[in-house]
Amino acid sequence: GESVGLHLPTLSVQEGDNSIINCAYSNSASDYFIWYKQESGKGPQFIIDIRSNMDKRQGQRVTVLLNKTVKHLSLQIAATQPGDSAVYFCAERTDSWGKLQFGAGTQVVVTP
Amino acid sequence: GAVVSQHPSRVICKSGTSVKIECRSLDFQATTMFWYRQFPKQSLMLMATSNEGSKATYEQGVEKDKFLINHASLTLSTLTVTSAHPEDSSFYICSARVGRVRGGTEAFFGQGTRLTVV
Repeated sequence: GESVGLHLPTLSVQEGDNSIINCAYSNSASDYFIWYKQESGKGPQFIIDIRSNMDKRQGQRVTVLLNKTVKHLSLQIAATQPGDSAVYFCAERTDSWGKLQFGAGTQVVVTP
Repeated sequence: GAVVSQHPSRVICKSGTSVKIECRSLDFQATTMFWYRQFPKQSLMLMATSNEGSKATYEQGVEKDKFLINHASLTLSTLTVTSAHPEDSSFYICSARVGRVRGGTEAFFGQGTRLTVV
């Protein structure tokens, strides 16, 4: 999602449905990408990562897709649960020291 | 996974005073630590990269004399906000990683420090 002033893009999802969160990254030389989940007042929590030589990676209930042609990353959450409500950030690693550049973030709200 | 601990989790200070935030890697040695700042409803913005035993590298626009970073050991980095003002009120987050390994070594994040300057 793109940053729009002080308002995070919001994705409302019904419990049990699948969620798709999108992210555009900026550096075509980035070789490693990570999705983080951040709950209110807490630090980011690692969800899943993917290297630039892959286009898909699956975890438990989550899948990350990478399209290097258009510099796009997505996170799919299967069977979304109330505990999935949080802000989700994508991040790209921009140097070998591990410096991360974060995307704008998407607020996911799971409704019953 | 590895644990990174920040202290304090919340701090309120008076304008003009200095505040120190600690970031510790509890079960691994962190050669590199990063400090981020996050304003409400916004993303994490990298402030600086610190490597153990050397000076921190600050991002453009971050005042190094205002945000003092010390990484004196492989398990501890500190961020000192000097002469704090209300506009410095923010959520400060550190992360730590091991070594200089390309190809998938994740960074571990602390729980963040909420700084309020009154």
